[in-house]
Amino acid sequence: KNEVEQSPQNLTAQEGEFITINCSYSVGISALHWLQQHPGGGIVSLFMLSSGKKKHGRLIATINIQEKHSSLHITASHPRDSAVYICAVSRLSDNTDKLIFGTGTRLQVFP
Amino acid sequence: EPEVTQTPSHQVTQMGQEVILRCVPISNHLYFYWYRQILGQKVEFLVSFYNNEISEKSEIFDDQFSVERPDGSNFTLKIRSTKLEDSAMYFCASSSTPGTSGGDYSYEQYFGPGTRLTVT
Repeated sequence: KNEVEQSPQNLTAQEGEFITINCSYSVGISALHWLQQHPGGGIVSLFMLSSGKKKHGRLIATINIQEKHSSLHITASHPRDSAVYICAVSRLSDNTDKLIFGTGTRLQVFP
Repeated sequence: EPEVTQTPSHQVTQMGQEVILRCVPISNHLYFYWYRQILGQKVEFLVSFYNNEISEKSEIFDDQFSVERPDGSNFTLKIRSTKLEDSAMYFCASSSTPGTSGGDYSYEQYFGPGTRLTVT
């Protein structure tokens, strides 16, 4: 069983729509990360959360530690937001901050 | 803005050959990682490295793999005898402080652009 589950796997949207991507995890964590993977393969860190909510531009990330759930929201989506969004966690039980990755959500935003 | 760099961007090699993938982490970072992503699959942890030694490795990181930090700036991943199933994108990452053991927080990892390894 995957320790990090994301939904949906694929998401299409029209430009301007509000988008939500969900992540659930089954282990104790020290932090949850949201990452963006571009079509060329590069990975960019968007957020690192251990509690509450963070906002950066049109992106908002929230986490509920009790429910072991996080969401990534994109407001006023744009075609340039098209990418794979990946949830990853650092486990409390690990000796390092290695990341355990979800399978990603492929987002396509059409004009 | 400082960034993690990786070379080469694409490496094609024949089965059984040795390859060395190179990474230059951000200069004041202390903790280094290699991850890989087989095409169509999720990213997987390979190894973490701190204070000139491996701090953790996955089951994937068998005797065919090794890492070193030969000169204080480069961080390399060597695969001694490549197999077809080693074909993947390999990502290097670094973070600014040592990983915590069950601590209250962790530190953001900065990823390189990846090296696509193709074994034929």
